Amino acid sequence: GAGVSQTPSNKVTEKGKYVELRCDPISGHTALYWYRQSLGQGPEFLIYFQGTGAADDSGLPNDRFFAVRPEGSVSTLKIQRTERGDSAVYLCASSPEGTPHGYTFGSGTRLTVV
Amino acid sequence: GENVEQHPSTLSVQEGDSAVIKCTYSDSASNYFPWYKQELGKGPQLIIDIRSNVGEKKDQRIAVTLNKTAKHFSLHITETQPEDSAVYFCAANGGYSTLTFGKGTMLLVSP
Repeated sequence: GAGVSQTPSNKVTEKGKYVELRCDPISGHTALYWYRQSLGQGPEFLIYFQGTGAADDSGLPNDRFFAVRPEGSVSTLKIQRTERGDSAVYLCASSPEGTPHGYTFGSGTRLTVV
Repeated sequence: GENVEQHPSTLSVQEGDSAVIKCTYSDSASNYFPWYKQELGKGPQLIIDIRSNVGEKKDQRIAVTLNKTAKHFSLHITETQPEDSAVYFCAANGGYSTLTFGKGTMLLVSP
């Protein structure tokens, strides 16, 4: 596609529920990144995929968070047993190679846990 | 890991004035320093970047300077316009493929 697409744009869920957030990167981009942005803060790194594999998952806050990219294109970020502290905007970015140059971000998914 | 500090947190200027946003980083391995503009409800958009082998880069009204010795880099916007109003983020890569961002600067340009 022309840009990075994230769905849904907004998600409200109850505490304790499971959620999935989807990212569709720019066609041909091999690198895909997930970041989390809390209100008034800069984006914080969660996980980075090069192709199908997670090259760096050091930013995932705990084992409730998991992400996959089974075919090397679309990625899904999964959050189990959501907590109110998980409320944030989840941003996805892609780049042509595994470098930070040329990141293109999507518009994000705003997750609200009530 | 990398730590990026950004100042000021808010900046108000009159249309036509210049605006300067400053960042410091901690990891000497960082070699890539992008700047992003984020408008309400949108993702960050890359506006300019600089690599560690360059001291300054300019693109029309926007320029970035880098002082590797002091671990400082700055964004300069000249002849500001109301449409420049947004939140601006600096970032550094810590020598890797991922970015560490500053906390952002809200720039308000008044007509």
